[in-house]
Amino acid sequence: DVKVTQSSRYLVKRTGEKVFLECVQDMDHENMFWYRQDPGLGLRLIYFSYDVKMKEKGDIPEGYSVSREKKERFSLILESASTNQTSMYLCASSPVEGEGNQPQHFGDGTRLSIL
Amino acid sequence: LAKTTQPISMDSYEGQEVNITCSHNNIATNDYITWYQQFPSQGPRFIIQGYKTKVTNEVASLFIPADRKSSTLSLPRVSLSDTAVYYCLVGDYNNAGNMLTFGGGTRLMVKP
Repeated sequence: DVKVTQSSRYLVKRTGEKVFLECVQDMDHENMFWYRQDPGLGLRLIYFSYDVKMKEKGDIPEGYSVSREKKERFSLILESASTNQTSMYLCASSPVEGEGNQPQHFGDGTRLSIL
Repeated sequence: LAKTTQPISMDSYEGQEVNITCSHNNIATNDYITWYQQFPSQGPRFIIQGYKTKVTNEVASLFIPADRKSSTLSLPRVSLSDTAVYYCLVGDYNNAGNMLTFGGGTRLMVKP
């Protein structure tokens, strides 16, 4: 069974801090994704990565960066946290093989509060 | 960029069939349609995926008309545990330059 693990369920940080959100998957998936989820807005893609050291911007990359040094780990970085980045952050992974969109497997999310 | 539109919410009763429609007028040739279910405090969970016509699995059915500009998720005989948010997703994950799009989600409330 695929496991996507996010390092924290809840996190509280202060404005201006550099924040790291970590995600690890155990199924050797090529693709990894970071989303944020806000009430009324659904899930919005921040960044995704289709290989080690590769990254692509999603719909809302501003204020974020990512790092994928190893296949199993995908980190989301808030360079200088702001209050409008208070949100639920979800990480997902999926394989590439086969036809169609291989299902994304999600972690249970990190609820981040920026004070 | 294939955006999606879904109803914001729906109510149903236990034992009824529920149909949730998603519009995706700008779907591209290589795009697939995927539906996810999300419970509170959990990440979304894959339900079903299709490209055209009809797909059925042990959980749901997915109906896609010939023009593929919309799709309908059908949940047979819902129970209280089907109360969740359902997301329609259109995209081609295997195309590394393509954007992935979640709809706003449909909040389904199943009542006893």
